[in-house]
Amino acid sequence: SQQGEEDPQALSIQEGENATMNCSYKTSINNLQWYRQNSGRGLVHLILIRSNEREKHSGRLRVTLDTSKKSSSLLITASRAADTASYFCATDAQGGSEKLVFGKGTKLTVNP
Amino acid sequence: DTAVSQTPKYLVTQMGNDKSIKCEQNLGHDTMYWYKQDSKKFLKIMFSYNNKELIINETVPNRFSPKSPDKAHLNLHINSLELGDSAVYFCASTGRENEQFFGPGTRLTVL
Repeated sequence: SQQGEEDPQALSIQEGENATMNCSYKTSINNLQWYRQNSGRGLVHLILIRSNEREKHSGRLRVTLDTSKKSSSLLITASRAADTASYFCATDAQGGSEKLVFGKGTKLTVNP
Repeated sequence: DTAVSQTPKYLVTQMGNDKSIKCEQNLGHDTMYWYKQDSKKFLKIMFSYNNKELIINETVPNRFSPKSPDKAHLNLHINSLELGDSAVYFCASTGRENEQFFGPGTRLTVL
């Protein structure tokens, strides 16, 4: 299975601290995406990193991709209470259909 | 203004009933999906349509039947509902780089 696995499953930090979440996957990919899901809401696309990219930034988000280790990390800097949500990685298998396979998510709690 | 909308937001029904969930996107995307998210937040693809044609059909009971009257709409009909069908169902459409735009979800509770 291509399924991504995020770790940790849950993370609790104080406002202002950085949060790092990791994702591992099993097959070669075209790209890897990160999504956020607030409680009771749909997923929101955060950032996409292609297989030939190693690092990407978007505001307070930094994503890295290591295709040799089949892993990615999402760093949220200077976290805010509003960052409290579940974060999912999703992979798009190389040579496969366009379907995304989602990991089980990391539940992030940012305490004010 | 909502890019991907779903109705209803909540659906509570008895076992054995038949129900439908509707989805519409106004983003002009060609591809739409249905996902199921279980109580452990695991999100699994069910179906995908591209321009009204079924392109992905995961191992889903045939009690679930998607219908796409046009590329902006993808509805999901479920026959003979079972307790295990209780979940949150998300519709999504796909942008140019395969990033997904999700609807707000329909929480289905089967009693």
